[in-house]
Amino acid sequence: QSVLTQPPSVSGAPGQTVTISCTGSSSNIGAGYEVHWYQQLPGAAPKLLISEFSNRPSGVPDRFSGSKSGTSASLAITGLQAEDEADYYCQSYDSGLIGWVFGGGTKLTVL
Amino acid sequence: QVQLVESGGAMVKPGGSLRLSCAASGFSFSGFYMSWIRQAPGKGLEWISSISGDSGDVYYAESLKGRLTISRDNTRQSLFLHLSSLRAEDTAVYYCARADCGGDCPYDFWGQGTLVSVSS
Repeated sequence: QSVLTQPPSVSGAPGQTVTISCTGSSSNIGAGYEVHWYQQLPGAAPKLLISEFSNRPSGVPDRFSGSKSGTSASLAITGLQAEDEADYYCQSYDSGLIGWVFGGGTKLTVL
Repeated sequence: QVQLVESGGAMVKPGGSLRLSCAASGFSFSGFYMSWIRQAPGKGLEWISSISGDSGDVYYAESLKGRLTISRDNTRQSLFLHLSSLRAEDTAVYYCARADCGGDCPYDFWGQGTLVSVSS
């Protein structure tokens, strides 16, 4: 059971918009800690996708955006492309656990 | 360019121990927090340990405390993880990753991972 909760899967057709939620608690997202998002393509290592500090690292298209409210955060992907098919993870810091936490991951399928 | 290369993964028997290494290049290693994150087969990411640039701050996941030791050698630009009393559930790909700071900073670069397999 992950400290941050994500839907196991989402799907969308090319060109559509999908949103992936990440729900935490008062000791992580709700405490104001930053939420970061990672993309893991099949067979590859995770890659930083969205950082609340610097937003999108170089090379990440602006079709990807992040937001946060209360104890939750969201990743939005607009103009879905086949190459977006991957696993997506949210991550934050937890003051109760005194450590870093990940969501369980969401598998995005492009129909 | 920034590179992180893990090594040391192997197949070990339950109860055994292992030392993983992560060789860093392309950046000022001592200026960054370094972490180990693992991923069991078909599962999600799990943070397990972090160490500050000067080794003054060390953090471990509660579930693994007592079985892990993280360390670094800034002169060799290397990060290490010693795992002991290994169990089947420790089977995973182990990634090293860097962060600008502790707390809120993201893991902006990751290695390709090294596989640890625990089986009798």
